[in-house]
Amino acid sequence: EVLLVESGGSLVQPGGSLRLSCATSGFTFHNYAMSWVRQAPETGLEWVSSITGDGSGAYYADSVRGRFTISRDTSQSTVYLQMNTLRAEDTAIYYCAKDGPYYYDPSGYSFPEYYFDLWGQGTRVIVSA
Amino acid sequence: DIVMTQSPLSLPVTPGEPASFSCRSSQRLVYTNGHNYLNWYVQKPGQSPQLLMYLVSNRASGVPDRFSGSGSGTDFTLKISRVEAEDVGIYYCMQAVETPITFGQGTRLEIK
Repeated sequence: EVLLVESGGSLVQPGGSLRLSCATSGFTFHNYAMSWVRQAPETGLEWVSSITGDGSGAYYADSVRGRFTISRDTSQSTVYLQMNTLRAEDTAIYYCAKDGPYYYDPSGYSFPEYYFDLWGQGTRVIVSA
Repeated sequence: DIVMTQSPLSLPVTPGEPASFSCRSSQRLVYTNGHNYLNWYVQKPGQSPQLLMYLVSNRASGVPDRFSGSGSGTDFTLKISRVEAEDVGIYYCMQAVETPITFGQGTRLEIK
């Protein structure tokens, strides 16, 4: 069974830091890109960050670039989101999401297609004094 | 950034009747490989989002064939042929042709 389990969310003061973790199981971790998506209270979904399967590429929303860092540890099958200089507007449920299989073109070049075929249950981050 | 616009925002439907969700993007979502990078998700009450349809018209694992997706370029549609009570939730479209990946604001499906 494929599982994603987020942890690390909590109440933190503005300007503080948190590290979210997403422990995975049931699939070959390094073959899939992983992403973080957040949902502020009573609002829709906002993409935060993605990382390629081999960790060579990392991408961020403008709202978090320079403050958040995505990383992954293949030995632990875990993806992380280091969040620094937190702001009130970062308050949200943070979901970890697994991508679908890579696309391979006829020349053998491959890239993730970023459709999130499995989501975790989410971890809540509250940024407040 | 690509803006995704969904309509309607609320969709009341009688069980057994069809439902149609519209999603429009501010830019074309077709990549050089010919794929349209448009996906649909549903978030049922109290749950995490789940993938419904990927690359416009491919049903995710376990999604019943009552659901279908269509469209290309900038206009996309998700249809439910016969709505069931379990379909209640918020339906989101999402583009992944370029970063930042962006979602529509969602359409809330309600049962009459």
